[in-house]
Amino acid sequence: GPKVLQIPSHQIIDMGQMVTLNCDPVSNHLYFYWYKQILGQQMEFLVNFYNGKVMEKSKLFKDQFSVERPDGSYFTLKIQPTALEDSAVYFCASSFQGNTLYFGEGSRLIVV
Amino acid sequence: GDSVTQKEGLVTLTEGLPVMLNCTYQTIYSNAFLFWYVHYLNESPRLLLKSSTDNKRTEHQGFHATLHKSSSSFHLQKSSAQLSDSALYYCALSRATGGNNKLTFGQGTVLSVIP
Repeated sequence: GPKVLQIPSHQIIDMGQMVTLNCDPVSNHLYFYWYKQILGQQMEFLVNFYNGKVMEKSKLFKDQFSVERPDGSYFTLKIQPTALEDSAVYFCASSFQGNTLYFGEGSRLIVV
Repeated sequence: GDSVTQKEGLVTLTEGLPVMLNCTYQTIYSNAFLFWYVHYLNESPRLLLKSSTDNKRTEHQGFHATLHKSSSSFHLQKSSAQLSDSALYYCALSRATGGNNKLTFGQGTVLSVIP
């Protein structure tokens, strides 16, 4: 089936540093999402993105977070600066239209 | 806001027994979509089945679920559990507003099938 690729699969970073999580969505998809899952908790919506713009973001999408997809390349989530509470698995998802989201395998971020 | 509740964190079953994973939800949107996603270890969560039609059974890969709007439920069932069904199962809800299909997830239920 359609695949969403996420790079890196895991990363350890010092608190205060910047991190960029990359997502290669399904090729013809138009809508892009980031979800955050803290260990042992449910997946929570961060943000969605369409036509070059953020459509909706949650309270978890702090000012230190940003997303972009320059020129149809990777859909990225940037955190600058990182904090300890940003440690989580971040899932990227994409959809064409309608309501089936396709997820990546997640990027595990550990902030130390 | 919207919410999804999966009461069981872990369900352990012997192979061959029936599966039932509970899911209830809250939303003000009458045309909400309900989903079950399955997440195997080291893979990506993938859609198992979905529905927005009241009282209609939907089936896929041996699993089935029926959306009951009167009780706000969308329980996942299977007649006979297999070892390969062991995974994390998420129930999720979408408001179905065109392309902006933000999903609200439940806490997830780990299904562990033992021989």
